[in-house]
Amino acid sequence: DTGVSQDPRHKITKRGQNVTFRCDPISEHNRLYWYRQTLGQGPEFLTYFQNEAQLEKSRLLSDRFSAERPKGSFSTLEIQRTEQGDSAMYLCASTGGWGETQYFGPGTRLLVL
Amino acid sequence: EDQVTQSPEALRLQEGESSSLNCSYTVSGLRGLFWYRQDPGKGPEFLFTLYSAGEEKEKERLKATLTKKESFLHITAPKPEDSATYLCAVQADGQNFVFGPGTRLSVLP
Repeated sequence: DTGVSQDPRHKITKRGQNVTFRCDPISEHNRLYWYRQTLGQGPEFLTYFQNEAQLEKSRLLSDRFSAERPKGSFSTLEIQRTEQGDSAMYLCASTGGWGETQYFGPGTRLLVL
Repeated sequence: EDQVTQSPEALRLQEGESSSLNCSYTVSGLRGLFWYRQDPGKGPEFLFTLYSAGEEKEKERLKATLTKKESFLHITAPKPEDSATYLCAVQADGQNFVFGPGTRLSVLP
């Protein structure tokens, strides 16, 4: 297994456009997390899946953000009507169980002009 | 609310000058404490997991220790390639992981 992968690695978009990011976790991992990271800060939790069920969303997560994991494998994160404040690195991580280590993907860097 | 703080915010060392990074946490029921290394523009890279007070883990020039309130990442005789941001995270009784802001380490040759 090659680890967690994310696509695209970079995305530049204009304000008001929709964007979608994909994450492919480590194959045997049933938990998948999305984070947002801005410069000089640690990753900030966005949402979490166990298999296909979305179990938790950050209360800071705007309604413009939606995530899916339809078959319990890959996940997508969509941002609608992007704003300049959405510019950040979006990280995906997966883990196999409680107290187990999260392994991160390389991230998708989003720039909203 | 679960909280993680890290100090110092930035640290500059000469090659070979040993030091320690601190991670302080407030959680309700610690399931695990995690250390990651992050290079600019990349995702965090796993270093260590600690589960209980008194536990220690070592890898090359790095050693992580855990108490009931904090964790230390000791760096012995660092090299320039150790320059990175070091992140600490905790998983408590809740579902998610909480990260600290990180310590930016620069090791000068």
